[in-house]
Amino acid sequence: QSVLTQPPSVSGAPGQRVTISCTGSSSNIGAGHDVHWYQKLPRTAPKLLIYGKTNRPSGVPDRFSGSYSATSASLAITGLQAEDEADYYCQSYDSSLSAVVFGGGTKLTVL
Amino acid sequence: QVQVVQSGAEVKKPGASVKVSCKTSGYMFTGYYMHWVRQAPGQGLEWMGWINPNSGDTKYEQKFQGRVTMTRDTSITTGYMELRSLRSDDTAVYFCARSHENDFWAFDPWGQGTLVTVSS
Repeated sequence: QSVLTQPPSVSGAPGQRVTISCTGSSSNIGAGHDVHWYQKLPRTAPKLLIYGKTNRPSGVPDRFSGSYSATSASLAITGLQAEDEADYYCQSYDSSLSAVVFGGGTKLTVL
Repeated sequence: QVQVVQSGAEVKKPGASVKVSCKTSGYMFTGYYMHWVRQAPGQGLEWMGWINPNSGDTKYEQKFQGRVTMTRDTSITTGYMELRSLRSDDTAVYFCARSHENDFWAFDPWGQGTLVTVSS
């Protein structure tokens, strides 16, 4: 059971918009700790998509955006493309555990 | 440019130890923490801990306390993760990752991963 909760799967057609939620608690997201998002393709290293809840590293398309409120965060992907099909993970820091925590991951299927 | 290159795949027997290396280049090695994360087959990402390459200080996730040691060799800008008393459920891909330049707890870039298989 992950400390951060993500839906196991989401799907959308090419060109559509999807969102992936990440629900935490008062000891992680709710405590003000940043949320980061990664894209994970099979047999490759995770790629940082969003850091500090809303910031995009250079090179990440602006189709990817992050938002947050209270004890949750979301990743939005607009203009879905086939190449976006991957697993997505949220990550934060938990004060009670004194540890980095990841969500369980969400598999995005592009229909 | 910044590069992080890990050592190759390993096959170990239960009870053995494994040491994975993470060779870095293109940035000041002592200026950024190094984290280790693993992913077991069909599972999610799991953080193992970090090392401060400047001081050698470490912080391990409680689950791995007593079995993991993270070290570094600043002369060759390389970090290491040793896991002892291996069990079958330690079979996973192990990643090293650098702290992001703007956010300590964000990881970027990552090494390519090292598959560790524990099997008798």
